[in-house]
Amino acid sequence: AQSVTQPDIHITVSEGASLELRCNYSYGATPYLFWYVQSPGQGLQLLLKYFSGDTLVQGIKGFEAEFKRSQSSFNLRKPSVHWSDAAEYFCAVAGGTSYGKLTFGQGTILTVHP
Amino acid sequence: DAMVIQNPRYQVTQFGKPVTLSCSQTLNHNVMYWYQQKSSQAPKLLFHYYDKDFNNEADTPDNFQSRRPNTSFCFLDIRSPGLGDAAMYLCATSRQGGFPEAFFGQGTRLTVV
Repeated sequence: AQSVTQPDIHITVSEGASLELRCNYSYGATPYLFWYVQSPGQGLQLLLKYFSGDTLVQGIKGFEAEFKRSQSSFNLRKPSVHWSDAAEYFCAVAGGTSYGKLTFGQGTILTVHP
Repeated sequence: DAMVIQNPRYQVTQFGKPVTLSCSQTLNHNVMYWYQQKSSQAPKLLFHYYDKDFNNEADTPDNFQSRRPNTSFCFLDIRSPGLGDAAMYLCATSRQGGFPEAFFGQGTRLTVV
């Protein structure tokens, strides 16, 4: 069975600082991996996805993520965090080509200090 | 240009009183999903429709049902809501074999009193 682990429940950074959110997955085949962001009381917005090709993927809002098969990781990064990035971030893996049949990590809450 | 629309955004229901949540989509996607997200938890898949074929997750309680009358609409029915069913319910769509992405609605926040 597939699984996703986000080791950090809560991360606090200062505005302008760099950010890395960790994600480790377990999946038998080549995974389809996603990062979603959720603001309080809102739905999920897709930041970026990986399914093949270049292991460094670019997303919206200046985010990027790197797929490392050897480490079973898909960490999310941003070079300079803005106050509006404060939200909860979910890493997810899709079971095959049912791209919406997702297994999510527990989420990482990002707090941004001015 | 909303693509996955959930109504209502907020729903309050009484303990044991049936409630229906609605999801519509303008993407013409053949797969629709319902997720339950309890406070401070990750979304958890309840079931999904592949076209008209209903696929229930093994641990989804019988209290939860779904209907998909056509491609555009999907409903989540909770037959006898309990206090533990209070959650955010998220609808999502995708195209099987198409562009690898799922689109989520804004969610319905269900409160049970």
